Amino acid sequence: DIQMTQSPSSLSASVGDRVTITCRASQTISTYLGWYQQKPGKAPKLLISAASTLKSGVPSRFSGSGSGTDFTLTISSLQPEDFATYYCQQSYGTPYTFGQGTKLEIK
Amino acid sequence: EVQLVESGGDLVQPGRSLRLSCVVSGFTFDEYAMHWVRQVPGKGLEWVSGISWNSINIKYADSVKGRFTISRDNALKSLYLQMNSLRVEDTALYYCAKDDSRVMATPFGLDFWGQGTWVTVSP
Repeated sequence: DIQMTQSPSSLSASVGDRVTITCRASQTISTYLGWYQQKPGKAPKLLISAASTLKSGVPSRFSGSGSGTDFTLTISSLQPEDFATYYCQQSYGTPYTFGQGTKLEIK
Repeated sequence: EVQLVESGGDLVQPGRSLRLSCVVSGFTFDEYAMHWVRQVPGKGLEWVSGISWNSINIKYADSVKGRFTISRDNALKSLYLQMNSLRVEDTALYYCAKDDSRVMATPFGLDFWGQGTWVTVSP
């Protein structure tokens, strides 16, 4: 199985900050990588697919990059509604696997 | 508006069975692969199973292989998960999720999710 390792596991930041979350795959997955946002009590929401394609309706302050084994999610200027848990997920092969999550908290 | 509505979750004893259902609307169901993903309270996401648009390609996580069976009825716009020989460690919120592709193993991700149905397995 392909293992996905996210870092950091948690992050404290302030409104307006630029933050970056990283995700590393245990083997190459090309750009078969999605980023999800999950708020408490809600289902995950797909923000970015194919490593860097912003989904419709997602603010442009979110961006994704990377290919192969190393990927990043960047939020250019944090907004209050961005405080949530973020997951990466590989869809290169089954079983699909998720990173352990990064909890983004208000400083 | 895309909607996915799960049902069938319950409190059951170990060894018993449950059948989860997911009814969808707002998109052409038979053009997309579908998945079940679960989440233990306070923990991360675990992919459980996926099925291609035509049911030809079906995959399972090792943790459920041989116990769970995914299926779909395109005429009824419904996805199912038959869960047999349930274990305490199967306790979780089970989400139904739409793939953005007809088949699995593409770059496109799971673009719509239901709100989940709770499965609790306890003696």
